[in-house]
Amino acid sequence: RKEVEQDPGPFNVPEGATVAFNCTYSNSASQSFFWYRQDCRKEPKLLMSVYSSGNEDGRFTAQLNRASQYISLLIRDSKLSDSATYLCVVTRNTGGFKTIFGAGTRLFVKA
Amino acid sequence: ETGVTQTPRHLVMGMTNKKSLKCEQHLGHNAMYWYKQSAKKPLELMFVYSLEERVENNSVPSRFSPECPNSSHLFLHLHTLQPEDSALYLCASSQDEVRGQPAEKLFFGSGTQLSVL
Repeated sequence: RKEVEQDPGPFNVPEGATVAFNCTYSNSASQSFFWYRQDCRKEPKLLMSVYSSGNEDGRFTAQLNRASQYISLLIRDSKLSDSATYLCVVTRNTGGFKTIFGAGTRLFVKA
Repeated sequence: ETGVTQTPRHLVMGMTNKKSLKCEQHLGHNAMYWYKQSAKKPLELMFVYSLEERVENNSVPSRFSPECPNSSHLFLHLHTLQPEDSALYLCASSQDEVRGQPAEKLFFGSGTQLSVL
């Protein structure tokens, strides 16, 4: 089983739709959680950090559920420019230095 | 412009060639990383240098050899690669508060798309 699992998608949604991604992690010692965004043939870029109290940045909301070991990303009012791959990232400091990336969820927003 | 520059952007090499990938960060960070990204797979951490000391070597084959001469530069020397080594190689940097402690935020370069024939 992968330590960080995501639904690969693709998610195909119309402009203006609300879309949600989930990510599960298997190691309860995980410390920090992030969503990165990666455009086609480009490098990953940090989108937002994820906290138990929830984190909102404009149209994006991230949530952490430690008890169930999953994090979520909600995108409201989708734009064409939101089309990308969204990477779930988890860090921990046990078993060595570890920053673990999920394989990503592809999102296509269509007009 | 992320402040992390990688060269070359694209590289095609034969299995007997020797080449090097270069990464330079202009962010004043103290940690640098090499990641491998194959199609439809998660990013795989290859090497980490924190404060110019290698703190992670993720069972990477010896045909990949990293070099970190200072906190701003990182190289990946390649020799006798295999076709399955074809992938996007990404360099990243971060500011570590404690050596070996995962950083909060990684800044990636644009990557080198490597094809091994």
